[in-house]
Amino acid sequence: DAGVTQSPTHLIKTRGQHVTLRCSPISGHKSVSWYQQVLGQGPQFIFQYYEKEERGRGNFPDRFSARQFPNYSSELNVNALLLGDSALYLCASSLDGGIGNSPLHFGNGTRLTVT
Amino acid sequence: AQTVTQSQPEMSVQEAETVTLSCTYDTSENNYYLFWYKQPPSRQMILVIRQEAYKQQNATENRFSVNFQKAAKSFSLKISDSQLGDTAMYFCAFDNTGNQFYFGTGTSLTVIP
Repeated sequence: DAGVTQSPTHLIKTRGQHVTLRCSPISGHKSVSWYQQVLGQGPQFIFQYYEKEERGRGNFPDRFSARQFPNYSSELNVNALLLGDSALYLCASSLDGGIGNSPLHFGNGTRLTVT
Repeated sequence: AQTVTQSQPEMSVQEAETVTLSCTYDTSENNYYLFWYKQPPSRQMILVIRQEAYKQQNATENRFSVNFQKAAKSFSLKISDSQLGDTAMYFCAFDNTGNQFYFGTGTSLTVIP
């Protein structure tokens, strides 16, 4: 089975622009989470979606939004990009998002550079 | 809020030797899970091992084992017979809700041939 796939792999944007990152979960996984990993830090939680509903939101501004589609794939959108948004954006899927029973399976991430 | 602390930014170990990575966490919850993830230069986070807080027995996965001390809120990872492929960033993570993992800042492990 294919793992979690993310696109694009790399992206360069200018301040003030908008970006859309995409993620396809492992087949059968209904939960998708997004994490931001700044260089030298651990991943920080942005969103979790389960069955197309937002289940959790981290401490990120409203410029960040996401959605999950009927096929369980997901998009992360970031508006009005700032230099500080430069990071590796990780998508992770899990079976049902239940505590501990379904650990996160990560994709290879999208490296976003804002200039 | 839950916090996860990894106090060793960098560590190194000789090939075939044993190394222990430290992790402490802070929570008022009683039911939770702890994880160790590995992130090699390829960037993909890979699950190494997980521990359920209500289980007293320490988890083991081949060369990887944990020392879980619930009262001390400590969760260390021991890697035995270290291999070159173990070179990576290692992240300790905490989950008590199923919808938000808390990660530490990571430990960069280098296995020296």
